[in-house]
Amino acid sequence: AIQMTQSPSSLSASVGDRVTITCRASQGIRNDLGWYQQKPGKAPKLLIYAASSLQSGVPSRFSGSGSGTDFTLTISSLQPEDFATYYCLQDYNYPRTFGQGTKLEIK
Amino acid sequence: EVQLVESGGGLVQPGGSLRLSCAASGFTFSSYSMNWVRQAPGKGLEWVSYISSSSSTIYYADSVKGRFTISRDNAKNSLYLQMNSLRDEDTAVYYCARDRTHGGLFWGQGTLVTVSS
Repeated sequence: AIQMTQSPSSLSASVGDRVTITCRASQGIRNDLGWYQQKPGKAPKLLIYAASSLQSGVPSRFSGSGSGTDFTLTISSLQPEDFATYYCLQDYNYPRTFGQGTKLEIK
Repeated sequence: EVQLVESGGGLVQPGGSLRLSCAASGFTFSSYSMNWVRQAPGKGLEWVSYISSSSSTIYYADSVKGRFTISRDNAKNSLYLQMNSLRDEDTAVYYCARDRTHGGLFWGQGTLVTVSS
């Protein structure tokens, strides 16, 4: 199974900060990667698909990049509603595998 | 509006069985492959199982292989997960999730399964 290594596992930041979360795949997955946001007690929400495509309705401060094994989610200017846990998920093959998650907390 | 609504969760004893359902609406269910994903309390997300649109291809995570069975009824717009020989470590919120055409998953709201004596 492809391993997805996500970092950092937690991150403290302030409103207005620029933050970056990374995922590394144990083998090449082309651009078959999505990023999800999850708030407590809620289902995950798709932010980015195909590594860099912004899901409809998602604010443009979210962006994704990468291909092959290394991927990045960037939030250009943190808003209060962005404090949540973020996961990457590889769509390349089965079993699908998630990163361990990044909990983004208010500094 | 695309909707996925899970049901069937609850409290079950170790070794017991439970059948989860996912009712789909707002899209042509028979055209999409589907998944089950779970999340243990306070933990990350774990993919559980996949079924293609026609049920011709099915995959399972090693952690549930031989105990769980995924199925679907396209006439009823419904996805199922039959869970047998349940263990404490199967305690989780179970999400039904639809594959999107260009990548990623669309998720239901989840149903909680608690395995405890």
